[in-house]
Amino acid sequence: GEDVEQSLFLSVREGDSSVINCTYTDSSSTYLYWYKQEPGAGLQLLTYIFSNMDMKQDQRLTVLLNKKDKHLSLRIADTQTGDSAIYFCAESTRHSGGYQKVTFGIGTKLQVIP
Amino acid sequence: GAVVSQHPSRVICKSGTSVKIECRSLDFQATTMFWYRQFPKQSLMLMATSNEGSKATYEQGVEKDKFLINHASLTLSTLTVTSAHPEDSSFYICSAPTSSTGSIQYFGAGTRLSVL
Repeated sequence: GEDVEQSLFLSVREGDSSVINCTYTDSSSTYLYWYKQEPGAGLQLLTYIFSNMDMKQDQRLTVLLNKKDKHLSLRIADTQTGDSAIYFCAESTRHSGGYQKVTFGIGTKLQVIP
Repeated sequence: GAVVSQHPSRVICKSGTSVKIECRSLDFQATTMFWYRQFPKQSLMLMATSNEGSKATYEQGVEKDKFLINHASLTLSTLTVTSAHPEDSSFYICSAPTSSTGSIQYFGAGTRLSVL
């Protein structure tokens, strides 16, 4: 079955880089995602990576995927106080109904210290 | 990105009443939508898959008579929490994929339900 694990908490200083790690169990994952959730709000899709890619960079965000180890990471360069939020790692696998079923990790709370 | 609108954002109701939550895809059609529940400081748990024109598919342990789902059009799915009780208090979030393969899911802003 699908299982996604990530650490609960990360604290960094403003201006430093943040690295949030995630491991997953289902080797048949098609997409892996990073979502951001601010207090009381819904989920904002930050970035995603297709399972046959190793890396994806989008401005301050860099996603690294090690498919062999089933490890996904999100690096945020020059972390700002506005980056403080909970970051969810998620994987999608094809459901028997034909759609992609998304499984989420528990979320990593990123605290940025000014 | 695609926009998913969810209403209401917050609802407070008395125990025993029913509450309806709407999820709309604003700029795309969604034959499938998903309903999640999030407890404080926990991850999202998939409750059910809403299918346009047919019955919803519920995850194991989710009472289908308690959480009624209707997907009457390609842009609207509703979740009705029937006879709500305090233990139903939670954050409910819907999502919709933008393609038939469901690769990328966009989420609504969520509904905070508080049952007194």
